[in-house]
Formats: sequence, C-alpha cells, structure tokens
Amino acid sequence: GAGVSQTPSNKVTEKGKYVELRCDPISGHTALYWYRQSLGQGPEFLIYFQGTGAADDSGLPNDRFFAVRPEGSVSTLKIQRTERGDSAVYLCASSPPGPGELFFGEGSRLTVL
Amino acid sequence: AQSVTQPDIHITVSEGASLELRCNYSYGATPYLFWYVQSPGQGLQLLLKYFSGDTLVQGIKGFEAEFKRSQSSFNLRKPSVHWSDAAEYFCAVGAVQGSQGNLIFGKGTKLSVKP
Repeated sequence: GAGVSQTPSNKVTEKGKYVELRCDPISGHTALYWYRQSLGQGPEFLIYFQGTGAADDSGLPNDRFFAVRPEGSVSTLKIQRTERGDSAVYLCASSPPGPGELFFGEGSRLTVL
Repeated sequence: AQSVTQPDIHITVSEGASLELRCNYSYGATPYLFWYVQSPGQGLQLLLKYFSGDTLVQGIKGFEAEFKRSQSSFNLRKPSVHWSDAAEYFCAVGAVQGSQGNLIFGKGTKLSVKP
C-alpha cells in the first residue's frame, strides 16, 4: 500500500553540479508527473509521462532539465549545471488511467548553494 | 491565459468557526477543478474534485466546494474548523480533455486556527 516515493528527501548541492531526483510511483499508475514548488508558490507543472514517453514537457524551464521513465515506472528528473534559482521542492505525482486525482509524493527539497 | 487565483494568502479563524477559501479560475476549456491540502513536510492530499454533475461537491474531512460557472469560482467551505485543519490549501484546474496531468495551481492560502 505504498504511496508515491521520492528520493532523496533533501539534497544540497553546489552551483554548477549535476543532480538526479528519483520518483517511484504507485504500482499500476500509468501516468507520472513532475512539478516544482518554490517558496510561497503553488506547484508548477514540469513534465508528464504516459507510460515511457513524455506526453507533455512544456513546463521544463530550459534544456538543463531532463526527465526519463525508461520502463514506464520509476522516473528520474535530471538537472545539469544547477543554479541557485533551481532551489525548490520537486514534487512527483502519479495517477491511474483516465481523468482523476493526482497522488503526490512528499517531494525532494533541492538547495543549490 | 489560463490561471488560478486564490486572493487570500493567509487566513486565521477560530476553532469551531466556519471557513470559506476563495478560488477563481480562468480557463478556456471545460475545467476539472480540485482542492488540495498540504501540511508541513507532507505531500499534497486531495480534498475534493469537480468533474461534472452536481455543482456542490463533498470531500474528505468535512470540506465541500461549490462550482459556479458564471463566476468562474470554486470556493472551499467547512462549517466548523478544527485545529488540525491548519495547513496550506491549493486550488487547481485542469482540462477535461488533453493533458490530464497539466494542472494549474493557485499560489495557495495558508490557514491558521486560533484555539
């Protein structure tokens, strides 16, 4: 009965470094989403996977951000050459087929020094 | 442009008092509407959702919301607030068709509860 699992829960890195954030969705959920939540803001959409393919990546801010879901389950959000402005909580969510609610993980808090 | 507005950044109510959190949206298509709650250090939890049908929807923890198309609003209500309701509340809108995951969230309303 596990929910959406995100690791690490906290990540502190230095400007310019590479970071990977992992999301393990609820078993059987075909859709997976990444959102970013900055301090005092609501979650902002980054990318949405249906199975293995990115169905909508319109929210990725620039080409330093990339996400994969090679086997249609676990997803990894990759951030290259991190900048201080990338500091935020990165939220992952999954959902079963069809329209409905998104089930969110607790997020990965990224701090770029 | 598609957007969600939650006009109140922070609301304080006394325990036992009624609550209404406002949400207005701007969306070109027929929307799905959601209210999520986020407690400190926890993920977002769905309180309720509106897809179609009865415009008054009931959710968990005694919350309800009413969809008013003419006012583009989806306000959240609770008749009697408990101290455990202190949290941040987010309204969100999504498309009935298309990218179901691309929810647009408001900036949130932080609820404080006085004893």
